[in-house]
Amino acid sequence: ETGVTQSPTHLIKTRGQQVTLRCSSQSGHNTVSWYQQALGQGPQFIFQYYREEENGRGNFPPRFSGLQFPNYSSELNVNALELDDSALYLCASSLDRNTGYTFGSGTRLTVV
Amino acid sequence: EDQVTQSPEALRLQEGESSSLNCSYTVSGLRGLFWYRQDPGKGPEFLFTLYSAGEEKEKERLKATLTKKESFLHITAPKPEDSATYLCAVQAMYSGGGADGLTFGKGTHLIIQP
Repeated sequence: ETGVTQSPTHLIKTRGQQVTLRCSSQSGHNTVSWYQQALGQGPQFIFQYYREEENGRGNFPPRFSGLQFPNYSSELNVNALELDDSALYLCASSLDRNTGYTFGSGTRLTVV
Repeated sequence: EDQVTQSPEALRLQEGESSSLNCSYTVSGLRGLFWYRQDPGKGPEFLFTLYSAGEEKEKERLKATLTKKESFLHITAPKPEDSATYLCAVQAMYSGGGADGLTFGKGTHLIIQP
């Protein structure tokens, strides 16, 4: 097991720009989820991918989109960035729907 | 809508002083209740999953219990290295439109003073 790694660790973007965050999941983990964590809050579910297809989505607008690749890596794309998008973005993977999720250390996004 | 409420928001204990953290939840059929530990600037670290009322799990100084409405994380004789934010999350039984995701509480910020 190599854990869940995310890149970059920190990022500063300007309002209106687009951003892509990346995640490399543990080998064999078919399920990957993305979460947004604002300062002082618990993580909020954005969406989940299972075998390269989105199979669950939280209360986030369509400008939040993602991809999952066959090599267990995934991306979170956010278009038309807003100041409120500033947060820690977390990627989590699991072997299947019934096992615990392993989280990465996150990407700290600041929108100015 | 699934909801998780954690209390207290913050807790300061002396080293060796045992206590409990509470997680109250409402969910449309519980698939699992999760406890995570989160250190500043890092992602949550998995501690326990509980699946049914009456279940208990232990790991070192931590013990998690589950009822139909709440879960407790008991910390026995804590040490300064136990200082962290402890997050509780639930996952609903029925999928569809985001039900597979975890619903987290805001966490309890625990400080253990030497």
